[in-house]
Amino acid sequence: AQSVAQPEDQVNVAEGNPLTVKCTYSVSGNPYLFWYVQYPNRGLQFLLKYITGDNLVKGSYGFEAEFNKSQTSFHLKKPSALVSDSALYFCAVSPRSSGGYNKLIFGAGTRLAVHP
Amino acid sequence: DSGVTQTPKHLITATGQRVTLRCSPRSGDLSVYWYQQSLDQGLQFLIQYYNGEERAKGNILERFSAQQFPDLHSELNLSSLELGDSALYFCASSVAHSTGGQETQYFGPGTRLLVL
Repeated sequence: AQSVAQPEDQVNVAEGNPLTVKCTYSVSGNPYLFWYVQYPNRGLQFLLKYITGDNLVKGSYGFEAEFNKSQTSFHLKKPSALVSDSALYFCAVSPRSSGGYNKLIFGAGTRLAVHP
Repeated sequence: DSGVTQTPKHLITATGQRVTLRCSPRSGDLSVYWYQQSLDQGLQFLIQYYNGEERAKGNILERFSAQQFPDLHSELNLSSLELGDSALYFCASSVAHSTGGQETQYFGPGTRLLVL
């Protein structure tokens, strides 16, 4: 079965410190990988995606993610956390398809809490 | 603001009733997706439409149905509602359906459904 794992329900980090939110996946082939963020009472906002090429992907708001094919991981990172980064983060994968469909398979989400 | 609009924002109804959720995609987007976010199931893909045609189905119940109209807006119909249908329903859109899964999906703010 295809699945995405976010092993930490919550990540706590002090403002100014680097942060990492972990994601591993179990999807056949070479899926496309995404990160979204959800603020309270808001929809999901796209942060970044990995399609091909450089394993380090840069996205919005200073976030980046590192793709590791051998470990089937796609961890989200930021060098210096802000209190305003506190939100719910979702990793998602989209299986490569020839049928023209683009369903996203989401992880359970990781709540990031950045403390002043 | 993603450019995807959803109405209503909140919906409270009773078991056994039927409701319709509406979504307008971003200007120029031809694909519309529906997702359900609940505490126990997380974010689940329901269904995808492309230019009026159903493209992919996920974990959508038989009591649920959707359609995409010629003006590209979409409606998700939920009938014979049960308590367990209470959830946040998201619509997302993307430009097309091609390229096998790498398109970014942009999410609306969601409709929060409460079934009493």
